[in-house]
Amino acid sequence: DAMVIQNPRYQVTQFGKPVTLSCSQTLNHNVMYWYQQKSSQAPKLLFHYYDKDFNNEADTPDNFQSRRPNTSFCFLDIRSPGLGDAAMYLCATSRPGSLYNEQFFGPGTRLTVL
Amino acid sequence: AQTVTQSQPEMSVQEAETVTLSCTYDTSENNYYLFWYKQPPSRQMILVIRQEAYKQQNATENRFSVNFQKAAKSFSLKISDSQLGDTAMYFCAFMGTGTASKLTFGTGTRLQVTL
Repeated sequence: DAMVIQNPRYQVTQFGKPVTLSCSQTLNHNVMYWYQQKSSQAPKLLFHYYDKDFNNEADTPDNFQSRRPNTSFCFLDIRSPGLGDAAMYLCATSRPGSLYNEQFFGPGTRLTVL
Repeated sequence: AQTVTQSQPEMSVQEAETVTLSCTYDTSENNYYLFWYKQPPSRQMILVIRQEAYKQQNATENRFSVNFQKAAKSFSLKISDSQLGDTAMYFCAFMGTGTASKLTFGTGTRLQVTL
């Protein structure tokens, strides 16, 4: 089945140690999104790619970066994780021009910062 | 900027009963999309139902239906014949018609279905 895949599902890192989260999709969607979701809160959009065009949300910290080497893959890099970055990170995709521009979500990666 | 408000942080319903989750939003756009997403304890976000603002008819998907009141900017979700598997966090979300299809989420309603 076509889907959005996130690896790993659980990631533990140390304070200040760079970490990379991975997202891949088999939907061939143009747009890929990264959200941060803290416990019992709504997902917060960090940034998105429309094809190769990177779009950062105004309040996304510089500590967060992203790469999209091809249509299928998108990476979230946290350069120096702090305790406040512990959260669930959700990847989503969409295809503009589709009937509802629906976003399809991956299962998320839960990041723990020690 | 759009805002989405869910005024019920938690709700509980007995199995087989009906429950309605509230959502209001604010926007200056005339055409847009509204969604209800379900996030079960396993935490994968799943689309429950969607509504296009230009459609007056309320969307229905099996046991799930919405009451869309465009003038009042209200978009409530009704779950009929509640099942234990409906236990989840429910997010109301707004999407404008820009090219990036960005979602604005409400703060969520945690629904517990009990025996």
